[in-house]
Amino acid sequence: GGIITQTPKFLIGQEGQKLTLKCQQNFNHDTMYWYRQDSGKGLRLIYYSITENDLQKGDLSEGYDASREKKSSFSLTVTSAQKNEMAVFLCASSIGWGGDAEQFFGPGTRLTVL
Amino acid sequence: QQQVRQSPQSLTVWEGETAILNCSYENSAFDYFPWYQQFPGEGPALLISILSVSNKKEDGRFTIFFNKREKKLSLHIADSQPGDSATYFCAASQGGSAKLIFGEGTKLTVSS
Repeated sequence: GGIITQTPKFLIGQEGQKLTLKCQQNFNHDTMYWYRQDSGKGLRLIYYSITENDLQKGDLSEGYDASREKKSSFSLTVTSAQKNEMAVFLCASSIGWGGDAEQFFGPGTRLTVL
Repeated sequence: QQQVRQSPQSLTVWEGETAILNCSYENSAFDYFPWYQQFPGEGPALLISILSVSNKKEDGRFTIFFNKREKKLSLHIADSQPGDSATYFCAASQGGSAKLIFGEGTKLTVSS
């Protein structure tokens, strides 16, 4: 078994601020993902990384940067936080990169922008 | 454009009843359909999945029925238990793609 750790659990920022969310996994998985979850809107893919030196944009990449520092860690940066923004950011990993590879999710980082 | 749609948005059933959660999709190239279960404060976890070559998949009390012609599938939860109360997401992907497209979820409440 393994675990995905996301830090921080809660993040409160100011409008225009640059904010960084971190994710660590000990599954030894190759592929990692960042999703945004808004209330009533499901999960939307922001960035994913198939291998350690890979970075690919998802459907919601505008306003975000990502970095795969090493195989076990994947960071997401909100480049300029938007006022009244509230969402949960979920990190996931999978052993392979095909759509049928089971994704394991972390507990999420809850973002509030004042 | 929402490629994967779920209904109802929320559903309440009594303990012991069968809960039926519906999902439809637009892209006929989708060939893999997982259902993820999410409890409050946690990330989603894979519950059960089906490939488009099958029309039914069972795992204990959970069954997926798949209709490729109508581009619809449903998750049946038999003998529903209060511990099944969660949000269920239908998702879809296309062979060779790393992207999973999620629906908006159905919040299930099982009352005792």
